Formats: sequence, C-alpha cells, structure tokens
Amino acid sequence: DGGITQSPKYLFRKEGQNVTLSCEQNLNHDAMYWYRQDPGQGLRLIYYSQIVNDFQKGDIAEGYSVSREKKESFPLTVTSAQKNPTAFYLCASSIRVLNTEAFFGQGTRLTVV
Amino acid sequence: AQTVTQSQPEMSVQEAETVTLSCTYDTSENNYYLFWYKQPPSRQMILVIRQEAYKQQNATENRFSVNFQKAAKSFSLKISDSQLGDTAMYFCAFCTSGTYKYIFGTGTRLKVLA
Repeated sequence: DGGITQSPKYLFRKEGQNVTLSCEQNLNHDAMYWYRQDPGQGLRLIYYSQIVNDFQKGDIAEGYSVSREKKESFPLTVTSAQKNPTAFYLCASSIRVLNTEAFFGQGTRLTVV
Repeated sequence: AQTVTQSQPEMSVQEAETVTLSCTYDTSENNYYLFWYKQPPSRQMILVIRQEAYKQQNATENRFSVNFQKAAKSFSLKISDSQLGDTAMYFCAFCTSGTYKYIFGTGTRLKVLA
C-alpha cells in the first residue's frame, strides 16, 4: 500500500541531545513537508522540499535541519538549539500540481525531558 | 504574508444538526486551492473537501459543503446531519501555485453531542 511512514510514533530524548525523525513515502511525490503541531497553534511549517537536493525554510525553521538526498525520504533533525522541542510532528507529501492535497503520515510525538 | 485564520477554537453541535466552521485567509496570489482537513483523536489528517479559487461554484462532498467568498477571502465549512464520528479538529488550509506549500490555520475543535 502506498503511503507516508513516520517513525517512531513516540520518541523521548534528554535535553541537549539532537534527535532525528524519519519520514518515508512511496507515493512518488516530489514535494515533502514537515509541520509542528502545538495546542492552539495549528500546524506550523518547519521545512519543505519541492525536489531532491533542495529544500526551503518554513515559518519556524530555527533549531531544525533537514536533508533530501532521496525522493522518498525527508528526515528532520531537532537540534539542541530548538528551545521548545516537545511537540507533535507531522510529515506530509504531495505532487507539485495545484489541485492536489497533501497526504500526511501518522505523526511523531517528541518529548524532551 | 500568507495566513489562515480560524476564529472559533471550539464548537459543539447536537447529533443530526448542522454546524458551520469559519475560515478566512490572506494571500496576494490569484491562483490557489483551499482545503478543509479533519484530524480525529487518532491524529491522522484526512482531507474533507477542496475548492478551486477560480471556480465560483461551491464544492460539496456528501454532508460537507463550503461557502467560498473570494472577494471576502472567506472559506467556511458546513457539516449537515452531524454524526458522532465528525468529532475532530478541523483545519482550513490553502496552497498557492507560487510556492506549492500548504498553509494551515489554528484549527477548530468540533464536538458532536449525542
């Protein structure tokens, strides 16, 4: 079945450690996105990538980094520079055609203690 | 700046009744699409309905319909015959042809009461 897989579903890390969230898609989509979801703040765009080896900062990129070495994969690293990393993270993908929706993974809940 | 505003953080509706969720947006682009997504307690995002900005006709999908007012940059969602399974967070979003990025609002938490 085609879809987007985020792993792990729950992730715990100690403060000051970098952590990488995985996102893989087998939908052959060109574009991929990372969003952060906090209560009362909706989905905020962290980074997005329209093609392999290219990505752009979203609205809240500080403290995060990404790579897009393969079409299927768009990992997100939460660095120690991110001041409030505890959140729910959603990965999405889409084809680069305007009338199509973004498809989402099931999310990763990151808790930093 | 491109923004989406959902002014109703929480709403409730009786089962079988009709409810309307509000959304306004701001963009200088002329070519864009609008979307409503549902996020149930499982937190999986599900597309509810989409609207093409250049079409005046409002989109409908079974019990879900939109009221699209382009000049006012308004895009409300109407849910008819509400069901318990409609209980979820609802997010309004748009995507423009310039950047192909999806901008979301803060969401409306809808509770359908038995």
